[in-house]
Amino acid sequence: AQSVAQPEDQVNVAEGNPLTVKCTYSVSGNPYLFWYVQYPNRGLQFLLKYITGDNLVKGSYGFEAEFNKSQTSFHLKKPSALVSDSALYFCAVRDGGSQGNLIFGKGTKLSVKP
Amino acid sequence: DADVTQTPRNRITKTGKRIMLECSQTKGHDRMYWYRQDPGLGLQLIYYSFDVKDINKGEISDGYSVSRQAQAKFSLSLESAIPNQTALYFCATSDSGGAGELFFGEGSRLTVL
Repeated sequence: AQSVAQPEDQVNVAEGNPLTVKCTYSVSGNPYLFWYVQYPNRGLQFLLKYITGDNLVKGSYGFEAEFNKSQTSFHLKKPSALVSDSALYFCAVRDGGSQGNLIFGKGTKLSVKP
Repeated sequence: DADVTQTPRNRITKTGKRIMLECSQTKGHDRMYWYRQDPGLGLQLIYYSFDVKDINKGEISDGYSVSRQAQAKFSLSLESAIPNQTALYFCATSDSGGAGELFFGEGSRLTVL
């Protein structure tokens, strides 16, 4: 069975500081990993994904994520946080070797203070 | 115009009423999904459809039904709504490959009194 965990319900960061939102996963095959962002009263928007290749993936709005196979992690990062980055972030995983559906984490609320 | 459109955006109804949430897409994708979002629980898959003739139950299908009227339309029904179905519902689409990301609608907020 596949699963994904976001260990932090909330992350607080000062504007201009680097941010990290953590995600760990469990799949039996090769993982397809995704990050989505949800702003208040909006649907989820795709940020980036890892399918294969370079472990460092760059995405929208200056975000990036690093795939670490040995630690089964896919943490979301940004070098310098903006107040406008404040939102709910979801990590999701699919087993690439099956027709399984995308499984979402419970979400992490990112709060960036001026 | 949005690629994935959900109607209604907000609905308040009473216990026992039948409710239909509708979703249409202009992405040209074969795959469509209905998710439910509750605070602190993330997104849970209700039903999904890989094409017009292929409909499958997700994690939490009890109390829900769906209809795929066309490639572009996928509706979710609550035959007899109950208060614990109060939630935010999302429709999403994706292409046929497993590596494709989901494209979400703006959500339908349902309150069952």
